[in-house]
Amino acid sequence: EIVLTQSPDFQSVTPKEKVTITCRASQSIGSSLHWYQQKPDQSPQLLIKYASQSISGVPSRFSGSGSGTDFTLTINSLEAEDAATYYCHQSSSLPYSFGQGTKLEIK
Amino acid sequence: EVQLVESGGGLVQPGRSLRLSCAASGFTFDDYAMHWVRQAPGKGLEWVSGISWNSGSIGYADSVKGRFTISRDNAKNSLYLQMNSLRAEDMALYYCARSGYLKEFDPWGQGTLVTVSS
Repeated sequence: EIVLTQSPDFQSVTPKEKVTITCRASQSIGSSLHWYQQKPDQSPQLLIKYASQSISGVPSRFSGSGSGTDFTLTINSLEAEDAATYYCHQSSSLPYSFGQGTKLEIK
Repeated sequence: EVQLVESGGGLVQPGRSLRLSCAASGFTFDDYAMHWVRQAPGKGLEWVSGISWNSGSIGYADSVKGRFTISRDNAKNSLYLQMNSLRAEDMALYYCARSGYLKEFDPWGQGTLVTVSS
């Protein structure tokens, strides 16, 4: 089973700041890593697929990078609406798994 | 519009059974694999089970293997999760999600809440 570990668990940030969230896999997963945003009382929404591929309708300030075991979600020029919990997800092999989540608070 | 609508959640006693459904619309259902993901109150996301487009490939999380059964009816554009021998730790909001070409989950339904309590 592949374990995904995100860091940090929580971050308090100010608008316009640049945010970096990392996700480390317990073994190599190629680029089969996806990122989701979940706002309070909402379903998760896909942000980035296959490590770095952008999603139609998602603001361009969201980007992803990495391969193998180390991945990064970057949010450039944070906005108040980005307050949410962010999850990484691996689909390299069953059982699929998610990171524990990173909660972003906007100051 | 692509839409997934879960139903079937509710209050159930430990040891009893429940069947969840997910109705799909707005896309060709039998072109896609489908998954169930759950979220316990205040906790993170946990993958539960997935099924390929033709039901030929199925997987389960260790935590539900032997108790839960995933199935689909492509003629009815529907996904199901039969949950037996329910435990307190199965209490969660259950989402269904469509799996894309790169196995990303998009979109997700709004979820159906399962409460396990005596």
